[in-house]
Amino acid sequence: ETGVTQTPRHLVMGMTNKKSLKCEQHLGHNAMYWYKQSAKKPLELMFVYSLEERVENNSVPSRFSPECPNSSHLFLHLHTLQPEDSALYLCASSTSVRLGTEQYFGPGTRLTVT
Amino acid sequence: QKEVEQNSGPLSVPEGAIASLNCTYSDRGSQSFFWYRQYSGKSPELIMFIYSNGDKEDGRFTAQLNKASQYVSLLIRDSQPSDSATYLCAVNSNAGNMLTFGGGTRLMVKP
Repeated sequence: ETGVTQTPRHLVMGMTNKKSLKCEQHLGHNAMYWYKQSAKKPLELMFVYSLEERVENNSVPSRFSPECPNSSHLFLHLHTLQPEDSALYLCASSTSVRLGTEQYFGPGTRLTVT
Repeated sequence: QKEVEQNSGPLSVPEGAIASLNCTYSDRGSQSFFWYRQYSGKSPELIMFIYSNGDKEDGRFTAQLNKASQYVSLLIRDSQPSDSATYLCAVNSNAGNMLTFGGGTRLMVKP
């Protein structure tokens, strides 16, 4: 778990709050990802960044706003979320976005929206 | 729409037996295949990847790929109770490194 870290590990927020999730990778990777894991649903890719440029936005609502200030850090800014957004949010990194490059996950942030 | 299908289980095997986990995928252009293990309350951990048809062995784990049948499997030999977890199959196609995950198979290894 020390290769990719995420904070906070748990977050409870109201629908009118604004919060941010943080991810940091210590692996020297150049690509970072946000995934959402909801109960009884497969892991869903949300965003992909390569060398700080967003290369994929998988039809994610605008209440989720990613930010990648450098290749080691990735944020997910949250505002006016809905209860159905409660899930485990996972960050991952890989050496590149080249096809077949292994992705390594952080421990995740368990988000509850009340 | 690209899909990855797994039997949700639970798959129950006795300790010491071989556990066989299966995964099918719909995108014939898929190039790379990954198996992740996820313990309850934890994040996915990469355990195997395979790119070519055939078998790939790593310790007690063997990944098998058959692109013609669009089928990938994971065999776990000498299963241990510590192998009890959900196993996620992930596939990416020729559209870059975007992974599509299956829903996972829950494996229970009974002492």
